[in-house]
Amino acid sequence: SYKLTQPLSVSVALGQTATITCGGNNIGNTNVHWYQQKPGQAPVLVIYRDNNRPSGIPERFSGSNSGNTATLTISRAQAGDEADYYCQVWDSGVVFGGGTKLTV
Amino acid sequence: QLQLQESGPGLVKPSETLSLTCSVSGVSISISDNYWAWIRQPPGKGLAWIGSIYYSGNAYYNPSLKNGVTLSVDTAKNQFSLTLRSVTAADTAVYYCARVSGRIAAHFGNWGQGTQVTVSS
Repeated sequence: SYKLTQPLSVSVALGQTATITCGGNNIGNTNVHWYQQKPGQAPVLVIYRDNNRPSGIPERFSGSNSGNTATLTISRAQAGDEADYYCQVWDSGVVFGGGTKLTV
Repeated sequence: QLQLQESGPGLVKPSETLSLTCSVSGVSISISDNYWAWIRQPPGKGLAWIGSIYYSGNAYYNPSLKNGVTLSVDTAKNQFSLTLRSVTAADTAVYYCARVSGRIAAHFGNWGQGTQVTVSS
């Protein structure tokens, strides 16, 4: 079955840029979606189809996808961005990455 | 505004059957061209897809759970449901229902708040 690999944790200084990766075999050939989950809350979609932001998501959130790695980039990181982030693809079923804890 | 709300028992005994329902408001399940999904999250762990269903009843399941899982839709009540048979402690999790924003391979655009289910005698 298809596997998505995310770093367990990423740290970023306030106001700096955070990069969270999602690795998968030829992931660049499929659509990748990203979710933010804060403690005790349901996940929230922050990026869909590689690089699209739903309404209400700040422009600071962006995504890219090429080769074997998809990337979620959070510019000008704020304390409120501290959360778990999950990537997701479809490969004969929904596949989630293991999640990355972002510390600001 | 689209809203999803999970409901069901918070405590289930091992070997019994878990049944959860997701009530959808703000859109008709039978009109919207969406799939509807169940996702769970064991304590301290990541997200795990259980399955997705269309209003017609066409469903996709996570192969690792398929044998014990059934999804169903009640268009009259604008609800969809999850049945998980022969539960074990490993089924303890927060269960979320969600809307797939389009075809089966699309993203989860809307989520319910989640419901905690504990499997214990």
